Amino acid sequence: NAGVTQTPKFQVLKTGQSMTLQCAQDMNHNSMYWYRQDPGMGLRLIYYSASEGTTDKGEVPNGYNVSRLNKREFSLRLESAAPSQTSVYFCASSVDRTNEKLFFGSGTQLSVL
Amino acid sequence: GESVGLHLPTLSVQEGDNSIINCAYSNSASDYFIWYKQESGKGPQFIIDIRSNMDKRQGQRVTVLLNKTVKHLSLQIAATQPGDSAVYFCAENRHSNTGNQFYFGTGTSLTVIP
Repeated sequence: NAGVTQTPKFQVLKTGQSMTLQCAQDMNHNSMYWYRQDPGMGLRLIYYSASEGTTDKGEVPNGYNVSRLNKREFSLRLESAAPSQTSVYFCASSVDRTNEKLFFGSGTQLSVL
Repeated sequence: GESVGLHLPTLSVQEGDNSIINCAYSNSASDYFIWYKQESGKGPQFIIDIRSNMDKRQGQRVTVLLNKTVKHLSLQIAATQPGDSAVYFCAENRHSNTGNQFYFGTGTSLTVIP
């Protein structure tokens, strides 16, 4: 039981490049999330998927897109990376969108030059 | 103490002592709270949670206290060990017309001195 798995662990991009962060969970959770973590700030929600087939914006969605490929997988795409998107990105999942605890992946450290 | 939105960076304790990490939240309608531990280079790890119909909840060496009157949450770690060194942050679950969403504090960095 791996929990939440994210790839890659590290990535360096040049401004304007695109990339996709992958996330998969094996806990049969309905809801999945993408957060970013910046120094001096709490985790901020980028996008979430309450259930397979649905996605919604979170607190900081600009510059990102997501795809809920199936129940297991939820990807985050940066179409044209900007230095402001340098951050650590975490994928998380929960049983559903009611009051349920989040399980996090180990993170992707992204630098945009 | 830590606040969802404010920052208290560090806490140092001697090994074997008890640690208390505090968190203030702002939304009186929040009804579910979680404490997470984050070690360097890793994702946040669930420690303990509490719902608003409780004042106290105990786990293994950890206790969470909730004071709804002053909107304050604390995490107590008994007999702190070197392996407890990490960043700890609280999260509150707020309701909105679009559903529930967790809001996270910035964290307190706990250092355990051997």
